[in-house]
Amino acid sequence: NAGVTQTPKFQVLKTGQSMTLQCAQDMNHEYMSWYRQDPGMGLRLIHYSVGAGITDQGEVPNGYNVSRSTTEDFPLRLLSAAPSQTSVYFCASSSLTENTEAFFGQGTRLTVV
Amino acid sequence: AQSVTQLGSHVSVSEGALVLLRCNYSSSVPPYLFWYVQYPNQGLQLLLKYTSAATLVKGINGFEAEFKKSETSFHLTKPSAHMSDAAEYFCAVSEWGAQKLVFGQGTRLTINP
Repeated sequence: NAGVTQTPKFQVLKTGQSMTLQCAQDMNHEYMSWYRQDPGMGLRLIHYSVGAGITDQGEVPNGYNVSRSTTEDFPLRLLSAAPSQTSVYFCASSSLTENTEAFFGQGTRLTVV
Repeated sequence: AQSVTQLGSHVSVSEGALVLLRCNYSSSVPPYLFWYVQYPNQGLQLLLKYTSAATLVKGINGFEAEFKKSETSFHLTKPSAHMSDAAEYFCAVSEWGAQKLVFGQGTRLTINP
């Protein structure tokens, strides 16, 4: 039972490079989201999706793009990486029902130099 | 807008002592409240959740939390700390289910032998 799978686990980028963080879930969840975790700031919502073809911005969307072409996948794209995007990124999924929980991936640790 | 404040970024207790991690929230609608635990270099795991049913919620690993509307609090407790409880704990709030979670800054729990 894989749950939420994120790749890669670690990544080092140079300033200005682009990359895509992958996220896949096998629980048929409608809702998927991306968070970034920074010391002393908890987790902050970047983007989220309530289903294929539907995405919206969270609290800190600048510098990131997302798309949702399938229920299973929700990639996060950094178009031009900046040192301020050095962080740990978590993907999460859940159902759209009331009595549910968010399931988190293992995270991607990204360093931008 | 919703918000969460966790009092104390670091809490240290002796093995066998009471664990109390404090969480206060702000929400304009009836909240859904969660406690998550994060072990080093791992994702977040749900400890327990409040979804407008019983105000005293029991979770995994002996943890429980009480929803107090009048105090806007959702403090996490465990009667007797174990070494394996050492981790970072996050309180989170949402307006519906597990969507658009707003996290506190986290509390790192250390257990002294």
